[in-house]
Order: sequence, then C-alpha cells, then structure tokens
Amino acid sequence: DAGVIQSPRHEVTEMGQEVTLRCKPISGHNSLFWYRQTMMRGLELLIYFNNNVPIDDSGMPEDRFSAKMPNASFSTLKIQPSEPRDSAVYFCASSLLWVWNTEAFFGQGTRLTVV
Amino acid sequence: AQKITQTQPGMFVQEKEAVTLDCTYDTSDPSYGLFWYKQPSSGEMIFLIYQGSYDQQNATEGRYSLNFQKARKSANLVISASQLGDSAMYFCAMRVSNTGNQFYFGTGTSLTVIP
Repeated sequence: DAGVIQSPRHEVTEMGQEVTLRCKPISGHNSLFWYRQTMMRGLELLIYFNNNVPIDDSGMPEDRFSAKMPNASFSTLKIQPSEPRDSAVYFCASSLLWVWNTEAFFGQGTRLTVV
Repeated sequence: AQKITQTQPGMFVQEKEAVTLDCTYDTSDPSYGLFWYKQPSSGEMIFLIYQGSYDQQNATEGRYSLNFQKARKSANLVISASQLGDSAMYFCAMRVSNTGNQFYFGTGTSLTVIP
C-alpha cells in the first residue's frame, strides 16, 4: 500500500480564497483523522470519522472549516474563506477502528500558506 | 478527561549516549494504547513504538524502548546509543477505548543530538 496520500503537498493562496485539501486513507482503514500543526498550538485534532461518519468535529476552529468523507477512500477538508491565521501544516491520518495496537498512519501533510 | 503531558520542551544528548523522554497520561479507562512518534525536520510523522495497557512487559523496538509504569501513569521513551539522525520532535500519544478511537497527542519534545 502507498500509505496515506494527501494532496496538494504545498498550497499558497490569497486571503479570502477557498482551499480544499484532499486525503486518501490506507485501504481497509475505517478511522480517518484531520490534524493541524502550528508552532504556537502544536498538533490539534480538527475532526475525525469512523466508517465515514463524522464523530467529533469540536476541534474545527470556525464555520469556515468543513470536512467530508463521501466514501471510505476519500476525504476533504475545506476552508472558505481562508485567512492568514489558517497557515499551518494539515495532516490526514488513518487507522483501524477498535484495534488498539494499530497506530495512526500519517500522510506527508499539506503545507498551507495564506497570504 | 483524557490527557497526555510532555513536560520537556527541549532536550540535548551527546551522541552515543542514552536519553529518556518523559510522557505522563491521564485516563480512567482501563483499556488504552500508548504510542510514540518521531517528526524529523522534514515533517513526516514516523511511528516508533506501541505499549498496550494490559501488556506485562515494556515494549522494545531496536534502540527504542518504552518504560511503562502503569501505577504512575507514565510511558517514557528511552533511546539508547543516540545518533545524529535522532534529532527530531518526539510525540507521545494515547488511544482510549471509550472515546471513539481518537488519538490524544502531547505537545512534543524537541531532541537535539550533539556530536
């Protein structure tokens, strides 16, 4: 398996624009997590899905952020409109539900810069 | 509430020496898993080692070992024979059975190996 695949790897956009980050989890994994990492706030859980269903989105900072998982092999994180303070590295991770010795497998991350 | 605490923002170690990175956790659930990740300057999150709450022996993976003290709720990572390539951020994480499978991460420890 190619691992968790995120796209794009880098994104530079202007304030006010819509940004869509994409994630393909490892085949067979049924838990998917979106994290945001900044120097100031560290690694924050934004939202996670179990069996394509959003379980906890309390980490989503504002209504400008939304996430979907239309099927087991694809998820998106959308920011609309984007702001400079959204600049961060966004990670997607996947794992197996109810298998406690299975780690979260992380994608390479998307480095978002909003200017 | 579930919580992971890493109290060492930064650590230095001489090459070839051993180093211990501290991690304490808080959960009332008897079933949980503890994980350590390494994040080098290139940014990817690399899984290192796992310890289950019911495991009787400390986990080991090559030069990494986990000093698991259940009564003290600590899960310290020990790196033996440090190498220059060990310089990175290290994150401790916990996964708990009663909270929907999410992973809780600490704030990380930055390790620098000195030649």
